Parts: sequence; C-alpha cells; structure tokens
Amino acid sequence: GESVGLHLPTLSVQEGDNSIINCAYSNSASDYFIWYKQESGKGPQFIIDIRSNMDKRQGQRVTVLLNKTVKHLSLQIAATQPGDSAVYFCAENSGYSTLTFGKGTMLLVSP
Amino acid sequence: DSGVTQTPKHLITATGQRVTLRCSPRSGDLSVYWYQQSLDQGLQFLIQYYNGEERAKGNILERFSAQQFPDLHSELNLSSLELGDSALYFCASSVAPSRAEQYFGPGTRLTVT
Repeated sequence: GESVGLHLPTLSVQEGDNSIINCAYSNSASDYFIWYKQESGKGPQFIIDIRSNMDKRQGQRVTVLLNKTVKHLSLQIAATQPGDSAVYFCAENSGYSTLTFGKGTMLLVSP
Repeated sequence: DSGVTQTPKHLITATGQRVTLRCSPRSGDLSVYWYQQSLDQGLQFLIQYYNGEERAKGNILERFSAQQFPDLHSELNLSSLELGDSALYFCASSVAPSRAEQYFGPGTRLTVT
C-alpha cells in the first residue's frame, strides 16, 4: 500500500484497549475541527467533527474532545480493533471549509 | 467507497512535462477540493471550486491550475513538472462550501522522474 509518512508518531495498542490520539492546532479562530482516518493506499475518510462551541462530541466508538484554552484536540477510540489501524489526521477548518491538516499519527493495533 | 472517483490511479512522467488529473465528485456534491500529500509536507490544501467557480486557494503553485466543468467534474493541471512534484494528489467533494464533511477520492500517485 501507499505510505503516507515515514516519521509519524506511532501509537501501538492491543486489541480491545482504548486509544487516545492527540493533536495540537494552531489557529484559535478555527470554527470546525475534524478527524480523518487514512488506511494504506486509500484517501482520508471522515470520522467525526466538532464545532468550536463544543468541548465534546461522541460518535460510534469514538469521542472527540476539544480544549480551546490550550488549542488541543483528542480522538478517543473505544475497544480498538485491528481494522482501526491507520494514520489519523486532525484538521482545522480555516475558512470556506478549507482544511489545514496536522502531520498525522499512526495507530497500530495488535490482535 | 466514498463515491469520489479519480483518474488515473498512477502516473509516471518526466521533468518538464504536463499532466492532467481528473476528479468526479460524489453525486449531488457541488464543491470540489484538491490536496497534495507528500512525505515531507503532509496533506496540503491546493484549491477549492464550488459550482464551477474558484472559491479558495491554498498552497498552489503558479505552474498548477484547476477548473471545474458544468458537469461538476474537475481537472488539476500540473505543468513544467519537477521532481518535487512527486506526490499523492487527492480530490475531495462536499455538498456545499460551508460543510466541513469532505469525502476524499482514492488519489492519483504522480511520480516525476
């Protein structure tokens, strides 16, 4: 498959564990934050988003937390599965829905 | 499958050449975005179109241009190619420019030799 980065921070977890992926963003004026998952050889896939007027949003097995004070975003994945192995990107909406992506974190899930 | 299609999947060409990448958005999506993904720069926004008109520009070089046609498909033209242009090029689409949920295509891998 395609490699999206050779020097990404990597999080290794066991199947069934909870995973937490962190992201620092730069623009305090951003109004949307989005998490994307990119599997090898594929395009980024939308996971969940959160508006700047919220501090928490839950989806199916995922939770996003937003701390605007320290400009920090996190993605929590419950009961991580091998199929969750991928590179995860946070992105901030900088205006007109143009997205600025973070560098990404590789999640490796061992069975 | 996101519903966004991109062709070709792979492209190998020489420095100085010109190539065209094609994207068809999801049915019903009016907004198209182009991104470049390289190992050293990560995912970078290039340009956005909405219903045929340019909406926003990012880090797009002057050697690159794009357009969105009346049938809403889009093309990204890369000219005077350099080795550093080798990257994955993704197209994404959304219903409208104000929607954050963008659906990405599978990408075109460009290799400049």
